[in-house]
Amino acid sequence: DVKLVESGGGLVKPGGSLKLSCAASGFTFSSYTMSWVRQTPEKRLEWVATISSGGSYTYYPDSVKGRFTISRDNAKNTLYLQMSSLKSEDTAMYYCTRDDYDEGRGHYYAMDYWGQGTSVTVSS
Amino acid sequence: DIQMTQSPASLSVSVGETVTITCRASENIYSNLAWYQQKQGKSPQLLVYAATNLADGVPSRFSGSGSGTQYSLKINSLQSEDFGSYYCQHFWGTPWTFGGGTKLEIK
Repeated sequence: DVKLVESGGGLVKPGGSLKLSCAASGFTFSSYTMSWVRQTPEKRLEWVATISSGGSYTYYPDSVKGRFTISRDNAKNTLYLQMSSLKSEDTAMYYCTRDDYDEGRGHYYAMDYWGQGTSVTVSS
Repeated sequence: DIQMTQSPASLSVSVGETVTITCRASENIYSNLAWYQQKQGKSPQLLVYAATNLADGVPSRFSGSGSGTQYSLKINSLQSEDFGSYYCQHFWGTPWTFGGGTKLEIK
């Protein structure tokens, strides 16, 4: 079974940094594009970052570009999200997702598996 | 950025009823749309991809339809396990945005 387990969340002050991890199992991690999605306290879902299967390509929305860095270690089957210059609006539950991506067509279809999430609170 | 507008925001229904949730994109997304279900306290789960294709293991009472800017998720004969929140998400160019969600509650 596909399993994604996030960790690393917590309480951090504005301007601070935090690194999230996502341990993957039950599938060939190195073959899949992976993403982070967050859910705000108001229950709004926001795509945060995506990384290609080999790690060469990364994508971010403007809201986190330059502050967040997605990376992966395929040898350890682990996905990361380094967050810096954190703001109160970054407060959310952060989910790791496996992506349904057709490399041949360069086409994304969905986020087909989600972890249970790790909570990040940015507050002084 | 493409805006995704879901309606209704909430819906109170009885077991056995049929419901339709709609998602409108601010521009043509060429059926690059997914639907997710989220139960209370759980993470979202994929229901439908490419607007009309059911994900593995999703019951056939769920169906997706639409094209262009207008999409729908229909649930026939609601079961108790179907209550929760539903979200649409487009995949037509980044940023991949989500709809605001529809909360399905028991009447």
